[in-house]
Amino acid sequence: GQNIDQPTEMTATEGAIVQINCTYQTSGFNGLFWYQQHAGEAPTFLSYNVLDGLEEKGRFSSFLSRSKGYSYLLLKELQMKDSASYLCAVRDSNYQLIWGAGTKLIIKP
Amino acid sequence: DTEVTQTPKHLVMGMTNKKSLKCEQHMGHRAMYWYKQKAKKPPELMFVYSYEKLSINESVPSRFSPECPNSSLLNLHLHALQPEDSALYLCASSPQGEVSGANVLTFGAGSRLTVL
Repeated sequence: GQNIDQPTEMTATEGAIVQINCTYQTSGFNGLFWYQQHAGEAPTFLSYNVLDGLEEKGRFSSFLSRSKGYSYLLLKELQMKDSASYLCAVRDSNYQLIWGAGTKLIIKP
Repeated sequence: DTEVTQTPKHLVMGMTNKKSLKCEQHMGHRAMYWYKQKAKKPPELMFVYSYEKLSINESVPSRFSPECPNSSLLNLHLHALQPEDSALYLCASSPQGEVSGANVLTFGAGSRLTVL
């Protein structure tokens, strides 16, 4: 079966750095997405990786290793507004999006 | 306009009611989606319209009926729902049809449905 694993919950301190990991086992691979979702709101697109390596976008970076079936989202200089759920999603060989259950990130002052 | 607009934001209905959820985008996107999301769970795909044609129906019960009147509008008609259908219903759109790697979804704010 297809599976995406993320930690259920993480806690970090304002101003610090946090890394949210995602491992996947899917039938084929056509890209990996990270979305941010604040409670009760819609998911918003953060990043897309299809080749191995690091993609940097401001305070957020996303890394992909296809051989290891692994990605992480790195958030720097954490702000209180970064408290949200972070969803990892993989597009499989049929171009279907397989979603992880999300990681709830709690930022403390 | 870079938004997907959903109405209503909140809906409470009885099991015998008929109601509709509406979704609109003016970004020229050619694919539109309905997702269902329960609390603390990832979105579950329900339907995909690609170029105004239903391309994916993820074995959704017939009490949910999608409609795509044109490339900018997507409706979800609800009839004889069950309390377990209570959830956040998210509409999304993407520039291309499903078969595209970097096809980024833009989500609406969702319609929170409560079935009594």
